[in-house]
Amino acid sequence: GEDVEQSLFLSVREGDSSVINCTYTDSSSTYLYWYKQEPGAGLQLLTYIFSNMDMKQDQRLTVLLNKKDKHLSLRIADTQTGDSAIYFCAESPYPYSSASKIIFGSGTRLSIRP
Amino acid sequence: DTEVTQTPKHLVMGMTNKKSLKCEQHMGHRAMYWYKQKAKKPPELMFVYSYEKLSINESVPSRFSPECPNSSLLNLHLHALQPEDSALYLCASSQDGRDRNTFGSGTRLTVV
Repeated sequence: GEDVEQSLFLSVREGDSSVINCTYTDSSSTYLYWYKQEPGAGLQLLTYIFSNMDMKQDQRLTVLLNKKDKHLSLRIADTQTGDSAIYFCAESPYPYSSASKIIFGSGTRLSIRP
Repeated sequence: DTEVTQTPKHLVMGMTNKKSLKCEQHMGHRAMYWYKQKAKKPPELMFVYSYEKLSINESVPSRFSPECPNSSLLNLHLHALQPEDSALYLCASSQDGRDRNTFGSGTRLTVV
């Protein structure tokens, strides 16, 4: 079945890079996503990658996809206090239907220390 | 307009009440979703509407009743809820199932 796994916590020093990792099981996924959720708020789409790509960069964010190992990572360069949040990895396992479900990981809580 | 708007932001209701959550988007998206999120957990899919028709119901209890009056609106009607139904209810939309979901900020529901 479909499953997305992430580590629960990550603590980094302000200014360092943060790397959040994710593994998924469904090889048919076409979209892989990273969402950010701040306390009491909804989910904000940070970035996404097509499954036929290896890397995507968007300002401070770099997404790496290893299809062979079904491993996805999100790197945040120069981590700031405003990056404190829960980061959800997610996949869309049904690419050709008119409306598909997204499978979320359990979320990684990123905390920033001074 | 690139947002999904949910109302109300907060709702407290008794177990005998009937209330509705509302969701609206004007991005021309044809798929709309309801998710339930408990504290410190990922969102769980409840319902998916595609072209105003219910396409996915994740075995949600009948005390939750979705409605899609038109392509821009999605409602969730609530009746006889239990305290364990207290959660953040998130609405999302997408152009189609392959596109990224845009989420609203949610309705925080407390059942007393």
